[in-house]
Amino acid sequence: DAGVIQSPRHEVTEMGQEVTLRCKPISGHDYLFWYRQTMMRGLELLIYFNNNVPIDDSGMPEDRFSAKMPNASFSTLKIQPSEPRDSAVYFCASSTRTGSNQPQHFGDGTRLSIL
Amino acid sequence: QQPVQSPQAVILREGEDAVINCSSSKALYSVHWYRQKHGEAPVFLMILLKGGEQKGHDKISASFNEKKQQSSLYLTASQLSYSGTYFCGTASGSNYKLTFGKGTLLTVNP
Repeated sequence: DAGVIQSPRHEVTEMGQEVTLRCKPISGHDYLFWYRQTMMRGLELLIYFNNNVPIDDSGMPEDRFSAKMPNASFSTLKIQPSEPRDSAVYFCASSTRTGSNQPQHFGDGTRLSIL
Repeated sequence: QQPVQSPQAVILREGEDAVINCSSSKALYSVHWYRQKHGEAPVFLMILLKGGEQKGHDKISASFNEKKQQSSLYLTASQLSYSGTYFCGTASGSNYKLTFGKGTLLTVNP
């Protein structure tokens, strides 16, 4: 079975540009999570969805970040405008039920560099 | 609050044992353990639920002390493939999101 698929794997862009990260969760998984990983802060949850509905977006750093899940098989995380401090690895993960008692399956991540 | 992992890093020779600890200031419902190799995604190892259970597979096992709000990951007879960064993720309820520790870098040398 295919795992969580993220694209692009790498993105390098200039400050001020719009960045869109994409994620396809594992088929049948109800929960989708977006994480950001940096050396300083580790792995931080940005937002998660249940059945395509955003449940908790308290980790989204500021209004420049937005996430959508238009259907069960696709989600996007958008940064507009991007800033150098947004440089990080962004992971998408999915699970069958709430993440607390079910494993989360991570995609390979998008390594984002903002110049 | 983010759980605290210790040690931050450990270096082993193949065949040696290691223990990684994860402590929380909040009452815990579950603890997840993941391993991440450099440049790759975190990979699920195991979940421990409230109840003080111990779990294991192969030579990797873990315990969960609900009273102390901490979990420990035990790696015995370490192999080169065990190298990576180990993260614990904690949740305070069955419907709660996970909060991850900063990780423990484990290096196993021949």
